[in-house]
Amino acid sequence: QKEVEQNSGPLSVPEGAIASLNCTYSDRVSQSFFWYRQYSGKSPELIMSIYSNGDKEDGRFTAQLNKASQYVSLLIRDSQPSDSATYLCAVNNEKGSNFGNEKLTFGTGTRLTIIP
Amino acid sequence: DGGITQSPKYLFRKEGQNVTLSCEQNLNHDAMYWYRQDPGQGLRLIYYSQIVNDFQKGDIAEGYSVSREKKESFPLTVTSAQKNPTAFYLCASSSQRGVTDTQYFGPGTRLTVL
Repeated sequence: QKEVEQNSGPLSVPEGAIASLNCTYSDRVSQSFFWYRQYSGKSPELIMSIYSNGDKEDGRFTAQLNKASQYVSLLIRDSQPSDSATYLCAVNNEKGSNFGNEKLTFGTGTRLTIIP
Repeated sequence: DGGITQSPKYLFRKEGQNVTLSCEQNLNHDAMYWYRQDPGQGLRLIYYSQIVNDFQKGDIAEGYSVSREKKESFPLTVTSAQKNPTAFYLCASSSQRGVTDTQYFGPGTRLTVL
């Protein structure tokens, strides 16, 4: 069974601290990994994508990928109340696609609350 | 403005009725997708289309139908065969660039069965 697992939370973090969100996946052939942010009642919006082992930084966000451990994480530095949302991890699960990441598997999301 | 539009934002359906959800994109993306999200759940793929006049079933296609007559449009019909259609429906599109392909989402349609 191909799965993406996330801690559902809620995860509460003080304003200004680092929020750490984790995701594990079961399909070793996965090549593309995405973090989406979803505010209550809204659609998901892309925060980060990562394809290679290591860290990728974009502003206050850092994605970390460890393919050997089948683990991807998202760090949010200097957390702000506006970061309070559900964060969805998505992983492609089709090997050798010639088109794109048309078969993404989403985790159930981690609900993050930033406490002022 | 470039983007993905979905209509209506809210939709109410009576038992036994078919309803059609609209999805339009002006991003010139080749691929389009329909997902369903239930409370506290991740997104589940209903159908996707990589090219005009072709589409593939996702993980939960039963009770749904789609068409792709134009590159910009990918409407979803929720039929009376779908036993539990109340959910948040999300349309997405992508440009199909291999491993870096990224899906972008429309604002969603919330369907409620009365």
